[in-house]
Amino acid sequence: GENVEQHPSTLSVQEGDSAVIKCTYSDSASNYFPWYKQELGKRPQLIIDIRSNVGEKKDQRIAVTLNKTAKHFSLHITETQPEDSAVYFCAASNNAGNMLTFGGGTRLMVKP
Amino acid sequence: ETGVTQSPTHLIKTRGQQVTLRCSSQSGHNTVSWYQQALGQGPQFIFQYYREEENGRGNFPPRFSGLQFPNYSSELNVNALELDDSALYLCASSLPGSGSTDTQYFGPGTRLTVL
Repeated sequence: GENVEQHPSTLSVQEGDSAVIKCTYSDSASNYFPWYKQELGKRPQLIIDIRSNVGEKKDQRIAVTLNKTAKHFSLHITETQPEDSAVYFCAASNNAGNMLTFGGGTRLMVKP
Repeated sequence: ETGVTQSPTHLIKTRGQQVTLRCSSQSGHNTVSWYQQALGQGPQFIFQYYREEENGRGNFPPRFSGLQFPNYSSELNVNALELDDSALYLCASSLPGSGSTDTQYFGPGTRLTVL
């Protein structure tokens, strides 16, 4: 089955700096890669996703890149703000509506 | 916030008991997936229901079972509770095949504690 690894497990940045979180996956059939943000005690919230027919997607301060050959994808957050502090999860699936395999999560701390 | 709701919010059970968790999907969504999230870990897929039929199952024992109703709401049942079943149980609804809008949206979860 699919295996998703996520790094780093914790990331501390200064407000205004950029943050990058990386994930690798094992199943070459995976073609859908969402990123979720989970604040303490709350539900995972989809922040951005990318499908295998594109290499990069951007939404304001958030961008995701995908390298299908190397089987890795990354989340980039620019101009970080304290409210970006949360746990971020990457996931992979062979279809957006099918089971998601999650990475272990990255705790992002943005220091004011 | 998504339109996915779950009940109850919190639940405390003792080992060996049975529990039923409920999920109402977002309007228009016909698919519900259930995930278990242990403390400090990513969610793990339990199973998915599509149009009232199980449509995929993760690596969970048969004492984890589910149902989906004609209105697409869903239940997760866990029998013979074990201490390791303590976790946040999340459901997610989606509308597969709808193109760019077929992503999964999570409910707030049910925190289950097994003593």
